Amino acid sequence: GNSVTQMEGPVTLSEEAFLTINCTYTATGYPSLFWYVQYPGEGLQLLLKATKADDKGSNKGFEATYRKETTSFHLEKGSVQVSDSAVYFCALSDLFGNEKLTFGTGTRLTIIP
Amino acid sequence: EPEVTQTPSHQVTQMGQEVILRCVPISNHLYFYWYRQILGQKVEFLVSFYNNEISEKSEIFDDQFSVERPDGSNFTLKIRSTKLEDSAMYFCASSGTSGGLQETQYFGPGTRLLVL
Repeated sequence: GNSVTQMEGPVTLSEEAFLTINCTYTATGYPSLFWYVQYPGEGLQLLLKATKADDKGSNKGFEATYRKETTSFHLEKGSVQVSDSAVYFCALSDLFGNEKLTFGTGTRLTIIP
Repeated sequence: EPEVTQTPSHQVTQMGQEVILRCVPISNHLYFYWYRQILGQKVEFLVSFYNNEISEKSEIFDDQFSVERPDGSNFTLKIRSTKLEDSAMYFCASSGTSGGLQETQYFGPGTRLLVL
């Protein structure tokens, strides 16, 4: 079945540091890949997505590239801010007849001023 | 911007009691979902719903669970007889379609259920 393996947290960085959160997946078919973010006390918000190999999703300075050869979708940001502190979830959905999302365990990110 | 809403935000109940969690999906969306997140664990799929019927359910979604779209706007999750292990954050999500394919799922803020 489908699965997502995500970098264990928590991750603590200083403001303006470079961020990478690793995500690898196992899936049948041709999945779409997502990063969702959960700010304190809020629900899940879509951060970015990619629907096919070599696509790059980007939003709010975050980027992730769909790498089929390494089955990865790592999240990166060049310079993090305190407001980026949140829990980040990598997820996939299988395009072929099964649109449920399969999530990773989530990575808690804390940015220190 | 349209959003998914959920009520209540928190619910405390006694073991064995019935609970109904309510969701109002985005108005032109056709696909509806429930997920749950036990504290400290990953978000897990429970059930998907389309065209007034369940399209898929996970093994978590046993006979104690049911879903309904009673009035064309609400989407509810009922747990008939709650257990301690049902304590979790429950998320509703909805998605539309484009070109015949399902679009991105949008999530509500969640209902935190505590079973005592």
